Amino acid sequence: DIQLTQSPSFLSASVGDRVTITCRASQGISSYLAWYQQKPGKAPKLLIYAASTLQSGVPSRFSGSGSGTEFTLTISSLQPEDFATYYCQQLNSYPFTFGPGTKVDIK
Amino acid sequence: EVQLVESGGGLVQPGGSLRLSCAASGFTFSSYEMNWVRQAPGKGLEWISYISRSGNTIYYGDSVKGRFTISRDNAKNSLYLQMNSLRAEDTAVYYCARFNYGDRNDYWGQGTLVTVSS
Repeated sequence: DIQLTQSPSFLSASVGDRVTITCRASQGISSYLAWYQQKPGKAPKLLIYAASTLQSGVPSRFSGSGSGTEFTLTISSLQPEDFATYYCQQLNSYPFTFGPGTKVDIK
Repeated sequence: EVQLVESGGGLVQPGGSLRLSCAASGFTFSSYEMNWVRQAPGKGLEWISYISRSGNTIYYGDSVKGRFTISRDNAKNSLYLQMNSLRAEDTAVYYCARFNYGDRNDYWGQGTLVTVSS
């Protein structure tokens, strides 16, 4: 199975900050990586797919990059509604594993 | 508007069974693959099962293989998860998700809570 790690697991940031989250895969997954945002008590929401494609309706301050084994999610200017937990997921091969998540909290 | 609505969750004793449903609307259900994903309380997301458009291809995660069965009824626009031999560690919110173009879960239901406890 492909393992995903995320760093950091927790970060504290202020409104307006640039935030970067990293997701690493235990083996190459090409660009089969998606990023989701989840707020407490809510379902995950797709932000980015195919490593760098912004899902329709998602603000352009979110961006993704990477391929192979290393990927990043960047929020260019953190907004109050962005405080949430972020998960990466590989869709290269079954089982479709998720990363452990990164919680973004208010500084 | 795409909608996925899960139902069937509840409290069940260890060793018991439960059947979850996911009602789809706002899109042509038979044209999409589907996944089930769960989240234990306070924990991360865990993919547990996939089904192809026709239902002929199915995959499971190791934690549920042999105990859970995914199925679909395209005439009823519905996805199902039959859960048998339930354990305390199966306690979670269960989500159905639409799997699009083989590279994204683009729509998710609101989830249904399954609690396994005596």
